Amino acid sequence: AQSVAQPEDQVNVAEGNPLTVKCTYSVSGNPYLFWYVQYPNRGLQFLLKYITGDNLVKGSYGFEAEFNKSQTSFHLKKPSALVSDSALYFCAVRDTKAAGNKLTFGGGTRVLVKP
Amino acid sequence: EAGVVQSPRYKIIEKKQPVAFWCNPISGHNTLYWYLQNLGQGPELLIRYENEEAVDDSQLPKDRFSAERLKGVDSTLKIQPAELGDSAVYLCASSLGRGTYEQYFGPGTRLTVT
Repeated sequence: AQSVAQPEDQVNVAEGNPLTVKCTYSVSGNPYLFWYVQYPNRGLQFLLKYITGDNLVKGSYGFEAEFNKSQTSFHLKKPSALVSDSALYFCAVRDTKAAGNKLTFGGGTRVLVKP
Repeated sequence: EAGVVQSPRYKIIEKKQPVAFWCNPISGHNTLYWYLQNLGQGPELLIRYENEEAVDDSQLPKDRFSAERLKGVDSTLKIQPAELGDSAVYLCASSLGRGTYEQYFGPGTRLTVT
């Protein structure tokens, strides 16, 4: 079975400071990992993915994430946060041993960037 | 490129009434998903279609929920009869398949059952 944990319900950061949103996962095979962002009354927007290759993945809006196999983590980072980054962030995993493109999502982390 | 389109955006119904949600995926996307998202939680898969075939409906409560994807494009998700616990956001997503894995989501339908 595949699962995802986002240990922080909310992350508060001052504008201009670095932002980190944590994610750990559990799979039987190898993971495909994703980050999505959700703004109020909107659907989820794809930010970035890790499938294979370089452990550091760069995505939209200046976000990046680092895949760490030994720690089974895929933390989302941004060097300098903006007020407009305030939103709900979801980590998701697909187990390569599981049939179909089934994603399991974490519970979400609310990011609040203060001016 | 147009994104995933869903309608209605909001729906308020009384319990025991039927309700239907519609989804039009991104053009050319063969895989279509319906998710349920409760407030403050991550989406949970209800059903996945590959073209017109439902290939994973294990999480769909079949006593009251049904879905169809005629002609492998648009899809409809129906609840009959609705219960108070069905109040949630229903998200539709699509993906290209064929080696691409990211899913693209519509804005969702927020259902309130009173």
